[in-house]
Amino acid sequence: AQRVTQPEKLLSVFKGAPVELKCNYSYSGSPELFWYVQYSRQRLQLLLRHISRESIKGFTADLNKGETSFHLKKPFAQEEDSAMYYCALSGRWGAQKLVFGQGTRLTINP
Amino acid sequence: SQTIHQWPATLVQPVGSPLSLECTVEGTSNPNLYWYRQAAGRGLQLLFYSVGIGQISSEVPQNLSASRPQDRQFILSSKKLLLSDSGFYLCAWTTGLQNTEAFFGQGTRLTVV
Repeated sequence: AQRVTQPEKLLSVFKGAPVELKCNYSYSGSPELFWYVQYSRQRLQLLLRHISRESIKGFTADLNKGETSFHLKKPFAQEEDSAMYYCALSGRWGAQKLVFGQGTRLTINP
Repeated sequence: SQTIHQWPATLVQPVGSPLSLECTVEGTSNPNLYWYRQAAGRGLQLLFYSVGIGQISSEVPQNLSASRPQDRQFILSSKKLLLSDSGFYLCAWTTGLQNTEAFFGQGTRLTVV
């Protein structure tokens, strides 16, 4: 089965504090993992993907196959990071299903 | 450039009435198409996806169905709506290639009364 779990529905941190949004997945094949973000009154959009190993808006995420995790991290939170964050999973070879987690609403307090 | 259109933006329908939500993609061919329902506390639930014309995979048994009559058109339907069908419905597309980004429509807020 293809499943994504985000254990925290809500996360609140102060500006300047580190942020970590947790994501665990279940997939028998080689996964492709993503983080999507939805800012207020905007469409859901891609934040980053594991294959790129990039940092977007200060966020990074490392795929840990041993722990089947893909946690999203940022060392210093900013107020504009407040949004809904979704972790997503698809298969790598010919599998077209794209599954999302339950989402985490991140609030950055001033 | 590619764009995705989803309509209507909001819809209020009585219980027992039919439903038809439409999604079209422009600027690409043979996209993978998806219908999701976004609900508070339940996240983004995959309802249907399609890798080609007439090919529909259903993820959640329910009162809804999907069709893909044309390459870039994806329709979500119901013959008789239930109160529990209320929610926010999102259409999305990808190229189907590895590590491809998904692009989302603006969504439809459906209220069944």
